Amino acid sequence: GAGVSQSPRYKVTKRGQDVTLRCDPISSHATLYWYQQALGQGPEFLTYFNYEAQPDKSGLPSDRFSAERPEGSISTLTIQRTEQRDSAMYRCASRDIAGDTQYFGPGTRLTVL
Amino acid sequence: SQQGEEDPQALSIQEGENATMNCSYKTSINNLQWYRQNSGRGLVHLILIRSNEREKHSGRLRVTLDTSKKSSSLLITASRAADTASYFCATDDYNQGGKLIFGQGTELSVKP
Repeated sequence: GAGVSQSPRYKVTKRGQDVTLRCDPISSHATLYWYQQALGQGPEFLTYFNYEAQPDKSGLPSDRFSAERPEGSISTLTIQRTEQRDSAMYRCASRDIAGDTQYFGPGTRLTVL
Repeated sequence: SQQGEEDPQALSIQEGENATMNCSYKTSINNLQWYRQNSGRGLVHLILIRSNEREKHSGRLRVTLDTSKKSSSLLITASRAADTASYFCATDDYNQGGKLIFGQGTELSVKP
């Protein structure tokens, strides 16, 4: 596609529910990143993929967070048993494997009530 | 945890003036990037400077990098109201898979 897309753009859920966020990267990009951005802060790294491999998930806050990229293209980020502190903007970015620039999607604003 | 600190946290100027934002970081880097975030919108890549570069220009943007001081600055010349946004620096270390470590951002307000 022309750019990185994410869905949904907004998600409101109740505490304890599971949510799944989706990222569709630029089609030629091998590397995909997930970031979490709290209000008034810069994005913080969660995890990344090279194709379907997930070399680093050190930024995931707890085992309630998981991410997949089974076919090396679209990725999902799942948060189980959501808590209010999970409320944030979740951003996805992709990068060509030979390039330096990460291109960000519009983000998913998650609100946990 | 975030890598960098940005200074100032907020900056308010008149249209036509120059805006300077500073960023400091902690570890070695391959490159440093600046991003802009308009209210409610995505992050837009502005400019990248490599660790072996000292200065780079792109349109009204000028970026400097001092690796000995682990600091960078972003200068926006002849500012416009449309430049109003949050500006973030982010460092990139290939040894960590290219993940970006962001600063906390500078909120720039340009008054017409």
